[in-house]
Amino acid sequence: DTAVSQTPKYLVTQMGNDKSIKCEQNLGHDTMYWYKQDSKKFLKIMFSYNNKELIINETVPNRFSPKSPDKAHLNLHINSLELGDSAVYFCASSPPRNAEEQYFGPGTRLTVT
Amino acid sequence: DQQVKQNSPSLSVQEGRISILNCDYTNSMFDYFLWYKKYPAEGPTFLISISSIKDKNEDGRFTVFLNKSAKHLSLHIVPSQPGDSAVYFCAAIVGWRDDKIIFGKGTRLHILP
Repeated sequence: DTAVSQTPKYLVTQMGNDKSIKCEQNLGHDTMYWYKQDSKKFLKIMFSYNNKELIINETVPNRFSPKSPDKAHLNLHINSLELGDSAVYFCASSPPRNAEEQYFGPGTRLTVT
Repeated sequence: DQQVKQNSPSLSVQEGRISILNCDYTNSMFDYFLWYKKYPAEGPTFLISISSIKDKNEDGRFTVFLNKSAKHLSLHIVPSQPGDSAVYFCAAIVGWRDDKIIFGKGTRLHILP
């Protein structure tokens, strides 16, 4: 009964490929996020969705496209993968009007070769 | 431009002693400050928070102190236990309506037997 789950946990792929990472939360939260943790361990927000609507879109390449089919899911699709995309990606969710409580998924380690 | 800084990448503390993790910030508009704990291969877990109108918040063994004039906050863990060994992230948020949380780079805490 994992609260926030991500699949896959590990993803190794070649440059130029298109891949997706899935995220699901069963907490009934309205807001979901994608974070990228770079090689320097810095967690940087990429996207935030509230009730399936995009509310934060940081400066990320257009190759990254989030998709929220319903408020329990926020998937991250990446086109034309590049070496610099290698990182750990964390999905998170938060309850309504309480963004300070963020519940994170286990992370997906993406390695682009 | 790092708005939230954790200048110590790692810290070692004897079991039973006090662990003090430090964090500095530059944006005086931050309303809330948070600490997250992260074990290897897991997502960060929310630990404790403090509002900018307070100078101290305590929860069991964890206490967060905020010094607004110095733009500095610290997390105290007393007494330190082996299970406290993890990476600790300091984070900050501006206002309830902005769901963007800004994280520091993290400090790895080692609790020594």
